[in-house]
Amino acid sequence: AQSVAQPEDQVNVAEGNPLTVKCTYSVSGNPYLFWYVQYPNRGLQFLLKYITGDNLVKGSYGFEAEFNKSQTSFHLKKPSALVSDSALYFCAVRDGGGANNLFFGTGTRLTVIP
Amino acid sequence: EPEVTQTPSHQVTQMGQEVILRCVPISNHLYFYWYRQILGQKVEFLVSFYNNEISEKSEIFDDQFSVERPDGSNFTLKIRSTKLEDSAMYFCASRGGLSYEQYFGPGTRLTVT
Repeated sequence: AQSVAQPEDQVNVAEGNPLTVKCTYSVSGNPYLFWYVQYPNRGLQFLLKYITGDNLVKGSYGFEAEFNKSQTSFHLKKPSALVSDSALYFCAVRDGGGANNLFFGTGTRLTVIP
Repeated sequence: EPEVTQTPSHQVTQMGQEVILRCVPISNHLYFYWYRQILGQKVEFLVSFYNNEISEKSEIFDDQFSVERPDGSNFTLKIRSTKLEDSAMYFCASRGGLSYEQYFGPGTRLTVT
């Protein structure tokens, strides 16, 4: 069975500093990994995905994620945090079935402090 | 930019009543999904739908739930007899045939009293 762990419920970072939101996964087969962001009272917005290829994946709003197979991790990063990045971030993995439904982590609340 | 839309944004209903949540997926997408998020918890998969039939469903998606694509644009989730524990945010998502990422609607907040 697939699983995703986001070990930090809350991450605080000062504006302008680099940010990292952690995610580790456990899958059978090749991992298809995703990051989504949820702003208050909004739906989930797709940020980026790793399917295959380069381990460093670039996505929307300046975010990137590094796929590390040996550590089974897919951490979300951004070189310089903005106050507007404050939101709830979800890591997800494609579930094993043919319909490609997503299995989500518990989410990490990122707060960027001005 | 095309987006998934959902109506209503908030639905309040009494326990035992039927509710229908509506979604309009992105027009050229082929795969459709419902997820729910109980307040403060993670997003959980309910059901996927392709080619006019259910592809997969979770344990949550019991006989009280059903989905339908009544026409070429709408995708609906029906809960036949709502329970208090059905209170949650329900998200619709869609996916194109050649991509893996799903695009989510803004959600419908269902409150069962």
